[in-house]
Amino acid sequence: GDSVTQMEGPVTLSEEAFLTINCTYTATGYPSLFWYVQYPGEGLQLLLKATKADDKGSNKGFEATYRKETTSFHLEKGSVQVSDSAVYFCALANSGYALNFGKGTSLLVTP
Amino acid sequence: DAGVIQSPRHEVTEMGQEVTLRCKPISGHDYLFWYRQTMMRGLELLIYFNNNVPIDDSGMPEDRFSAKMPNASFSTLKIQPSEPRDSAVYFCASGTGQPNTEAFFGQGTRLTVV
Repeated sequence: GDSVTQMEGPVTLSEEAFLTINCTYTATGYPSLFWYVQYPGEGLQLLLKATKADDKGSNKGFEATYRKETTSFHLEKGSVQVSDSAVYFCALANSGYALNFGKGTSLLVTP
Repeated sequence: DAGVIQSPRHEVTEMGQEVTLRCKPISGHDYLFWYRQTMMRGLELLIYFNNNVPIDDSGMPEDRFSAKMPNASFSTLKIQPSEPRDSAVYFCASGTGQPNTEAFFGQGTRLTVV
C-alpha cells in the first residue's frame, strides 16, 4: 500500500540556519504530495502542496519539489526562525480522498 | 469561514465511560475525516464520510468506536466503553469533492481516559 517515510526528529537548528526535512513515498500512479505543519496545541495546517512531477510547492519561505524519479518531496527553507518551531508532516493522496501521513518531524529553532 | 470546529477541546473521563467527540466541517465540503494522533502511531485515519455516508471505516480500531454523520454540518465519534489506551488527540478534517486534494483540520480534541 501507499506509505510516507520522514526523517526522524527532533531536528534542532539555530536561527537563520538552513532547513531540510527529508520525505520519501511509496505509491502507485500519480499521487499528490503535501506538507502540513502543526504548532503546539493546534491542528494541522497545510503548508504547501504539489500535484504532479517536477511541481514545486512554496509558502512562507518553505519549498518542496515533487521528484518522481527519486520518489521524494523534501522540505527546505533557507533561513529558519524561532517561530518555525513545530512538527512537520509529509502526506500523500493517491486516487482517493484521504491523506496518508508520515510520522512527523519535530523542529526546534533556538535563538 | 470559521474552519472545522471540534468540541470539546479537552476531555478527561474515567475508564468505562462513554465519550462523544463532535465536529462541524467547513460548509460546502463533501468529505469528512476522523484521525487519531498518538506518539507511538502518529496520525491514523479512523473513518471518512462522503455526503454523510461512511465510505471507509477500516481504520476504526474496535467495535467500541462508532461514528455518525446525521447531516452535512455535524459528525460525532463515540467511544463506548472508553479505555486508557484510547487516550490520544482526535482530529476531524473536511475536504472538497476533488480527489487528491488537501484536507482542512480542526484543532483537535485531546482525550485522556484515566
